[in-house]
Amino acid sequence: GENVEQHPSTLSVQEGDSAVIKCTYSDSASNYFPWYKQELGKRPQLIIDIRSNVGEKKDQRIAVTLNKTAKHFSLHITETQPEDSAVYFCAASGGSNYKLTFGKGTLLTVNP
Amino acid sequence: SAVISQKPSRDICQRGTSLTIQCQVDSQVTMMFWYRQQPGQSLTLIATANQGSEATYESGFVIDKFPISRPNLTFSTLTVSNMSPEDSSIYLCSVGEGEKLFFGSGTQLSVL
Repeated sequence: GENVEQHPSTLSVQEGDSAVIKCTYSDSASNYFPWYKQELGKRPQLIIDIRSNVGEKKDQRIAVTLNKTAKHFSLHITETQPEDSAVYFCAASGGSNYKLTFGKGTLLTVNP
Repeated sequence: SAVISQKPSRDICQRGTSLTIQCQVDSQVTMMFWYRQQPGQSLTLIATANQGSEATYESGFVIDKFPISRPNLTFSTLTVSNMSPEDSSIYLCSVGEGEKLFFGSGTQLSVL
């Protein structure tokens, strides 16, 4: 089955800096890669996603890049703000089902 | 996206008892899933709730422990049976809309 590795497990940045979280996946059949943000005590929320036929996608301060050959994808957050502090999860799915396999998460702390 | 309501939001239970979690969606959805999130951990798929038929369980999860009902396209229940402290987790209902997965607010279960 699919295996998703996520790094780093914790990330601390100063407000205004950029943050990058990286994930690798094992199943070359995977073709959909979402990112979720989970604030403490809240549900995971979909913040951005990318399909395998696209190399990069951007939405305001967040962007995701995908390298199919290397089987890795990354989340980039620019101009970080304290409200970006949360746990971020990457995930992958594909083939004939829509089941997501999640990474272990990255705790991002943005220091004011 | 669909509005997903889950209840109870939290419960404290005695070992050996069972708890049924309800998930209600405000629109008809084909794909419905149950996830578990153990304290400080990632999200693990328990099963796919199939409307009108038996749920499809992931490796490590069995129907006797986690019976699931899906009587229609807007409602599902997950029962955690014969609970032990190891079952203390957040249980999340989720629905698929195309490839995107959206989560309910979760049920935080503590087993004493």
